[in-house]
Amino acid sequence: AQSVTQLDSQVPVFEEAPVELRCNYSSSVSVYLFWYVQYPNQGLQLLLKYLSGSTLVKGINGFEAEFNKSQTSFHLRKPSVHISDTAEYFCAVDSSYKLIFGSGTRLLVRP
Amino acid sequence: NAGVTQTPKFQVLKTGQSMTLQCAQDMNHEYMSWYRQDPGMGLRLIHYSVGAGITDQGEVPNGYNVSRSTTEDFPLRLLSAAPSQTSVYFCASSYDRALGDTQYFGPGTRLTVL
Repeated sequence: AQSVTQLDSQVPVFEEAPVELRCNYSSSVSVYLFWYVQYPNQGLQLLLKYLSGSTLVKGINGFEAEFNKSQTSFHLRKPSVHISDTAEYFCAVDSSYKLIFGSGTRLLVRP
Repeated sequence: NAGVTQTPKFQVLKTGQSMTLQCAQDMNHEYMSWYRQDPGMGLRLIHYSVGAGITDQGEVPNGYNVSRSTTEDFPLRLLSAAPSQTSVYFCASSYDRALGDTQYFGPGTRLTVL
């Protein structure tokens, strides 16, 4: 069965600093990967997704992620974070009928 | 488009009570699903539907029922609420269930069972 691991439950960072949120998935023949963001008291919103092609995927709000098949990783990055990026971030892998989510990483941006 | 809507936003139940969480979408999506979100566990699939009249169980279906009489609506019923069902519930929909399809999430219902 496929699985997703987000090793960091919380990542504190200062405003304007770069950030990387880590995601590893269990290997599969083909994989479709997602990053969702959940702002406080809201639903989940798609940041970006990888289906095929270029391993560097650009999403909304300046986020990008790199698919690395050999390391089975799909880390999310942003070169300079804002206070408004404070939220919980979920990595997910697509299975046949559902999304399999990681446990989430809370990004806390401090002034 | 309103997207995916859920009602109510908050609900408090007593153990043993029943209730229905409502979910609707106006995007003509065939696939709809219900997830529950618990701290440190991400989201887990409860039930899903690939079209009107067709439903199936996810990974945590016990204690919940669903039906899909129309494309737009996908209600989730709690038959006899238990404290273990205290959670945040999200409804999601996508055009169909092709791999890689983007799922759109509602704002959630926060349920507390006393």
